[in-house]
Amino acid sequence: EAGVAQSPRYKIIEKRQSVAFWCNPISGHATLYWYQQILGQGPKLLIQFQNNGVVDDSQLPKDRFSAERLKGVDSTLKIQPAKLEDSAVYLCASSLDLVGAGIYGYTFGSGTRLTVV
Amino acid sequence: SQQGEEDPQALSIQEGENATMNCSYKTSINNLQWYRQNSGRGLVHLILIRSNEREKHSGRLRVTLDTSKKSSSLLITASRAADTASYFCATDEKAAGNKLTFGGGTRVLVKP
Repeated sequence: EAGVAQSPRYKIIEKRQSVAFWCNPISGHATLYWYQQILGQGPKLLIQFQNNGVVDDSQLPKDRFSAERLKGVDSTLKIQPAKLEDSAVYLCASSLDLVGAGIYGYTFGSGTRLTVV
Repeated sequence: SQQGEEDPQALSIQEGENATMNCSYKTSINNLQWYRQNSGRGLVHLILIRSNEREKHSGRLRVTLDTSKKSSSLLITASRAADTASYFCATDEKAAGNKLTFGGGTRVLVKP
């Protein structure tokens, strides 16, 4: 089966600019996640979707980050305006599980490496 | 905040040796999962072990879970240079609705 697709692979922007990342999960996967991974650390959850609804966005900095999953398939994550500390890899993952099931693992995309200068 | 904490943070071994890394967590879990991440890549799911399981195997990987001690271990037997990667444990907390919280990872270097 096709994996989780993410684009772009790399992005360099100046601080205060805007940026958007795109994710196409595995077909049929109900849940979709965006994680932020700062160099040398483990991934940190930003937002969790089930179909096209937000399940958990408690760790999303909503003053500058936004995400949507229209039609319950593709998702976009936007940062506006970007700060230097947003430099990280942004990972998208999807799972066959519905919320609370805990049966399957996640499939991750290769991520978007963002550098804010 | 991180739920799982891996130990050691870094590990260097010779090809053919076994590698063991541990994960401790704080709250009750539905399951615990291990992932591998090669440099510059996304994470790859290795094993999921449920809270009512004590041990699980997959190829050269063996995972144990001790819920009384809130800890898990990942053993890689007969390591290969291709096993060089970062390994993360992730916990699916009972109170958190099927979202994974990752630890900081163990960086494993397997020398040929």
